[in-house]
Amino acid sequence: NAGVMQNPRHLVRRRGQEARLRCSPMKGHSHVYWYRQLPEEGLKFMVYLQKENIIDESGMPKERFSAEFPKEGPSILRIQQVVRGDSAAYFCASSPVDRDQETQYFGPGTRLLVL
Amino acid sequence: TQLLEQSPQFLSIQEGENLTVYCNSSSVFSSLQWYRQEPGEGPVLLVTVVTGGEVKKLKRLTFQFGDARKDSSLHITAAQPGDTGLYLCAGATHSLQGGSQGNLIFGKGTKLSVKP
Repeated sequence: NAGVMQNPRHLVRRRGQEARLRCSPMKGHSHVYWYRQLPEEGLKFMVYLQKENIIDESGMPKERFSAEFPKEGPSILRIQQVVRGDSAAYFCASSPVDRDQETQYFGPGTRLLVL
Repeated sequence: TQLLEQSPQFLSIQEGENLTVYCNSSSVFSSLQWYRQEPGEGPVLLVTVVTGGEVKKLKRLTFQFGDARKDSSLHITAAQPGDTGLYLCAGATHSLQGGSQGNLIFGKGTKLSVKP
């Protein structure tokens, strides 16, 4: 069984560009979560999505960041007009439908570097 | 604000030694998960504990959830170099409506180094 897949694994952007991070959950999982890990910091929750719905975006910065999980295709975390402070590892996790929702399985992450 | 404090922050031991790492909070969690993360990779789930007082064993790893569901410990017996990594605990909470909040609260981790 394939695990959570994320791409790209590494992404370099210049200040002002857009970054798009993709996440395909594990088969049979319809809950997706995005976390950010800054150097020497713990993982911080950003957003929780189900298919076509944002359930909780309390951890998302108010500006420049958006997330979606369409009916078909991967979940996308979009960062517009990136700044150096956006450099971090971004992890996606997924959990099953209506069962053991609290156990989350993580992908390998996308390391974003903003020059 | 809910916080999970992990200790120690760093631990360097020799192969064959035993160790315990701790995860503490003033908040109650409906479940707690332990992960191990290696450099450049995502966290890999080790165990989920749900019931206060629960003990789970995974080969040489023993996980315990505190009776009050505010703290947890991970004990490794006869550590091996392959155990080296960052150990993270993460707590889940329930919403007022009774369902899971969705987001996990993570500690900063314990960085373990096991020398041969």
